[in-house]
Order: sequence, then structure tokens, then C-alpha cells
Amino acid sequence: DAGVIQSPRHEVTEMGQEVTLRCKPISGHNSLFWYRQTMMRGLELLIYFNNNVPIDDSGMPEDRFSAKMPNASFSTLKIQPSEPRDSAVYFCASRQTSAADTQYFGPGTRLTVL
Amino acid sequence: GENVEQHPSTLSVQEGDSAVIKCTYSDSASNYFPWYKQELGKRPQLIIDIRSNVGEKKDQRIAVTLNKTAKHFSLHITETQPEDSAVYFCAASKAEKLVFGKGMKLTVNP
Repeated sequence: DAGVIQSPRHEVTEMGQEVTLRCKPISGHNSLFWYRQTMMRGLELLIYFNNNVPIDDSGMPEDRFSAKMPNASFSTLKIQPSEPRDSAVYFCASRQTSAADTQYFGPGTRLTVL
Repeated sequence: GENVEQHPSTLSVQEGDSAVIKCTYSDSASNYFPWYKQELGKRPQLIIDIRSNVGEKKDQRIAVTLNKTAKHFSLHITETQPEDSAVYFCAASKAEKLVFGKGMKLTVNP
């Protein structure tokens, strides 16, 4: 199994630009989670999906952030427009709901907004 | 909502010593408590977990204990090695939503 796949691994953009982060969960996993990690705030859950349906988006910081999961094997997190304070590492994780509670993390996307 | 506190925030030990990381949680309904290890520049990886129907779990040099009454759980690492140096996160959940502590940076000095 390839594990959770995220792209790009690094993204540098200028303030005001649109940023799209991508995630492919582990095959057969039906829950997908987006996290943001910063030194100041640690690991924060932004949003999660069950069977492609958004369940809890209470962690999404503001309307500039949006997430979609059009099918079981792909999800995107979009920031538009991006701001310097969005600079962080964004992790995607997946889990098989019918099995153990373990969430498996992807390698992350390091986002820098100049 | 759930709140997870983790302490200490940093710990430095000599190789071969034991290390203990403590976490408290606020929601008595939480029933799943994983521990993740994150090396510099890498993803968090699960190292051990415990469910609320168990008080202790051990896997080689690591063990986790849970006190539901006091709402705290701890990670114990024995015979520490330099490769144990990393940031360790505790988390708590009652459904699918994990709430993480702020992490503890462990340094094991050779």
C-alpha cells in the first residue's frame, strides 16, 4: 500500500494567490481528515469527511478555506486568497471507519505564503 | 469540546534513562487515546494507542497507562535510545475527531 499521498510536498506562493492542496487517501479508507500544523497552534483539525461527505468543518479558519472530496480517492483543500498567516504544514490523514480508530497521516504539504 | 493538555513541553534525558510524558483530557466521554511520534520534517506516526476499557498497554520499550477517573494518560519509554528523539503527541477522541496535545520534544543524549 502506498499510504496517504499528498501533493505538492512544498508550495511557495505570494499573498493573494489561490493555493490548492491535494490528497489521495489509503485505498479502502472511508474517512479523510485535513490538519494544519504550526509551532504556535500545534496540530489542528480543519475538516473531515466520511464517505466523501463533510462531517465537521468547525476547524476551518475562515471562508478563504474550502475543501472538497468528489470521490473516495481524492480530496482538495483550497485557500483563496492566501495570506502569510496561512503558512504552515498541511497534513491529510485517512482511516477505515469499520476497523480500528487509527488515523494514518500523509507526508504533508509545507506551504509558504510570501 | 475536548481539550487535551500535555506536559512537559520539552524533556532531555540520557541514553538508557526512562522518559514519561503526561496528558490530561477534559471530556469524560473520550474513549480512544493514541500517541504519535513525529521526527523532524516527517509525518506523525502512531506508536501506541489505548482504549477506555483498558488501563495499561505495553509494546516492547513503550507503555501507556490510562486513568479514566482522573482523566489522564501517560506514555512511558524505557531504555531510551537516540532514535527516540522526536516530538511526541498525545490525542483523545470519542468518535472520529482526534484532539491533539501541543506535543513534547524529547531529546535523548548519547
